[in-house]
Amino acid sequence: DTEVTQTPKHLVMGMTNKKSLKCEQHMGHRAMYWYKQKAKKPPELMFVYSYEKLSINESVPSRFSPECPNSSLLNLHLHALQPEDSALYLCASSHRDDVEAYGYTFGSGTRLTVV
Amino acid sequence: QKEVEQNSGPLSVPEGAIASLNCTYSDRGSQSFFWYRQYSGKSPELIMSIYSNGDKEDGRFTAQLNKASQYVSLLIRDSQPSDSATYLCAVNRGSGGYNKLIFGAGTRLAVHP
Repeated sequence: DTEVTQTPKHLVMGMTNKKSLKCEQHMGHRAMYWYKQKAKKPPELMFVYSYEKLSINESVPSRFSPECPNSSLLNLHLHALQPEDSALYLCASSHRDDVEAYGYTFGSGTRLTVV
Repeated sequence: QKEVEQNSGPLSVPEGAIASLNCTYSDRGSQSFFWYRQYSGKSPELIMSIYSNGDKEDGRFTAQLNKASQYVSLLIRDSQPSDSATYLCAVNRGSGGYNKLIFGAGTRLAVHP
């Protein structure tokens, strides 16, 4: 299995809703990432988990809450989002020691629209 | 100065030509570099990685790295319309227990028949 699976593929939520994005990989990768990508912009790093521990939080607002229940799963909990949070949310994973050879493997992304 | 800089394009080339995409980076300590292809509405897909000075070839793709000039390039030979996409240059800024890819803004490539 060489894939990173993200669900749902599309999500529309109101500003008072609570929702979660899910990401799963079975490649034995021990580093997982959340990126946010706005239209015609590059992906921007949000969070990094290494060995299930949060290693980087790029000053992301608290309305985004990451969670790594185990080495294969990564969640992003969303609460009280704003319309400007609408974007493509990308999950990625890497084998920490082999990133130079293989880079990240990205999931297909969740297209989030906040109304 | 942005950490990773690319011309936004569009770069327009005829089918069969060589497309040349360029990228510069600001952190001289960066060690590994990546090229990703992203089709509209899709997620990035890794094309090439490079971490030694010189050229690295994989099929129709050649990545070139010059650390002294802080310059990375991607050549696409025999360009096809299916190569039309945005190409993202990325630099690894991670250390220790994690890796951190910083992306350039991307260059949009259009290959016309």
